[in-house]
Amino acid sequence: EVQLVESGGGLVQPGGSLRLSCTASGFTFGSHAMSWVRQAPGKGLQWVSSISVGGGATFYADSVEGRFTLSRDNDKSTLYLQMNGLRGEDTARYYCVKERIEMVIGIEGMDVWGQGTTVTVSS
Amino acid sequence: SYELTQPPSVSVSPGQTASITCSRNKLERTPTSWYQQKAGQPPILVIYEDNKRPSGIPERFSGSYSGNTATLTISDTQAIDDADYYCQAWDSRAYYVFGDGTRLTVL
Repeated sequence: EVQLVESGGGLVQPGGSLRLSCTASGFTFGSHAMSWVRQAPGKGLQWVSSISVGGGATFYADSVEGRFTLSRDNDKSTLYLQMNGLRGEDTARYYCVKERIEMVIGIEGMDVWGQGTTVTVSS
Repeated sequence: SYELTQPPSVSVSPGQTASITCSRNKLERTPTSWYQQKAGQPPILVIYEDNKRPSGIPERFSGSYSGNTATLTISDTQAIDDADYYCQAWDSRAYYVFGDGTRLTVL
């Protein structure tokens, strides 16, 4: 079974840091670009960041550029999102997602989503 | 900035056809994906590359693209289709972009 399991969410004060992890199983992790998508309470989906299959290319939403860092360990089938300088507007459920097609990004959408992990930024 | 505009809400009677549009403000032509999200659940991909259905998605879900607008069509709409729907596309500068979502109510 193809599965993505997120962890690392929690309550953090403004300006603090968190590292989210996403462990993948059931598919060849190293052959698919991966992304994080978040959803604030009662709001729509917001793309956060994506990473190429080898990790050499990363893409960020303007709202997190310079504060978040996306990386991956293909040997461990794990995706990481380091979040620094957290703000109230970063409060959301964060989903780890898999590109449907191998090797490329942005063509066939995201076909596997984790259950998400909740990040709350508050004092 | 790159934007995808969806209607906030669409209502449909059971058995009828629902159409949800997604208009882009740029002419860059990249494929559109559509996602269904029910309350408390992660999204599900229902259409990719404008008009292709992943395995397991019912045939009543279809997609199309014309001009600068993508359309998700749900034929013979059923109560279980009651959900939020989001379009998504890739832009060479903004990267991934989601529409704001459309609440489909099956009355």
